[in-house]
Amino acid sequence: GIQVEQSPPDLILQEGANSTLRCNFSDSVNNLQWFHQNPWGQLINLFYIPSGTKQNGRLSATTVATERYSLLYISSSQTTDSGVYFCAATGFQKLVFGTGTRLLVSP
Amino acid sequence: KAGVTQTPRYLIKTRGQQVTLSCSPISGHRSVSWYQQTPGQGLQFLFEYFSETQRNKGNFPGRFSGRQFSNSRSEMNVSTLELGDSALYLCASGQPGDYEQYFGPGTRLTVT
Repeated sequence: GIQVEQSPPDLILQEGANSTLRCNFSDSVNNLQWFHQNPWGQLINLFYIPSGTKQNGRLSATTVATERYSLLYISSSQTTDSGVYFCAATGFQKLVFGTGTRLLVSP
Repeated sequence: KAGVTQTPRYLIKTRGQQVTLSCSPISGHRSVSWYQQTPGQGLQFLFEYFSETQRNKGNFPGRFSGRQFSNSRSEMNVSTLELGDSALYLCASGQPGDYEQYFGPGTRLTVT
């Protein structure tokens, strides 16, 4: 089945810094999503991006399906960006999640 | 449009008891999936329902079961609770023909 790996596992930034989170997946996928898990546990949809590039404010994502990776860019980070970021790929009618990147943005 | 809702949000049970969690998908969504999140195992797929039929099941014991109703609402049941069942249980819904999934706030289950 599909395997999803994320790096780095932990990231500490000063407010205002930029960062890149990486997601590698083992097989061709129909869906690639990025989520931010808030402190209460809810997974917030950031991007649905099986291929190409999308931007939403300070966040952008790029998926290169042929090379089986996706990148999430966070620019001008804020303390509210702290939390865990997950990427997930669709296997057979289910999402397969990576282990997440824990981001801490300090003021 | 209202998001995915899950009830209850928090639950404390004793070993050996059973529990039922509920999930109401986004209006119009007919697919409902359940996931378990623990610190040790991360986010793991439990099962997926579409039009009242279970289409896929993860690698969990038979104590974990679910069902979906005609209005697409779904319930999952865990019988004979074990300490290791303590977790955040997340429900997601999706539209037919669309792979994007939307998650509810989760139910945090503690088994003592």
